[in-house]
Amino acid sequence: NAGVTQTPKFRILKIGQSMTLQCTQDMNHNYMYWYRQDPGMGLKLIYYSVGAGITDKGEVPNGYNVSRSTTEDFPLRLELAAPSQTSVYFCASTVNTEAFFGQGTRLTVV
Amino acid sequence: AQTVTQSQPEMSVQEAETVTLSCTYDTSESNYYLFWYKQPPSRQMILVIRQEAYKQQNATENRFSVNFQKAAKSFSLKISDSQLGDTAMYFCAGTTSGTYKYIFGTGTRLKVLA
Repeated sequence: NAGVTQTPKFRILKIGQSMTLQCTQDMNHNYMYWYRQDPGMGLKLIYYSVGAGITDKGEVPNGYNVSRSTTEDFPLRLELAAPSQTSVYFCASTVNTEAFFGQGTRLTVV
Repeated sequence: AQTVTQSQPEMSVQEAETVTLSCTYDTSESNYYLFWYKQPPSRQMILVIRQEAYKQQNATENRFSVNFQKAAKSFSLKISDSQLGDTAMYFCAGTTSGTYKYIFGTGTRLKVLA
């Protein structure tokens, strides 16, 4: 049982490039989330999904897009990367209020 | 709106001693859940303890316990017999039923000294 798996673990992007952060879970959870963690700060919600085909914005959605075509996968798309998107990104899923987090992706935009 | 406030950016404690980390949580919801997460240098988010707001009894997990004062909106974490492996960032978080979106505090960096 792998839990929540994120790829890649590290990535350096140039300003203006695009990329997709992958997230998959094998626990059949309906609820999935993307958070970002800036240095010295707590996690802030970017987007979330309550089931396949349903997504909604969180606190800091600008510059990101998501899709949820299956229960297992919840990719996060960055279009036109900016230095302000340098952060650590966490994917999570929840069941009965308990959250399960991936290992995080450290993204640097230069 | 929900808010989570951690007012102690950094703390240190001697090995084997006890330390208390503070958190306040504000929400208009009556049914909510509170958590403490540990984040070691590996970045992994590890659940330490959880508390359901409707439960009057404070949660306990081995050396970790909480003091949940509902009226004061206070949710502190007590770590007894501190160990070097407890050195980490600790986040207080809350969520409500429905979408289960988590709101996190800014964290407290705890260092256990040998």
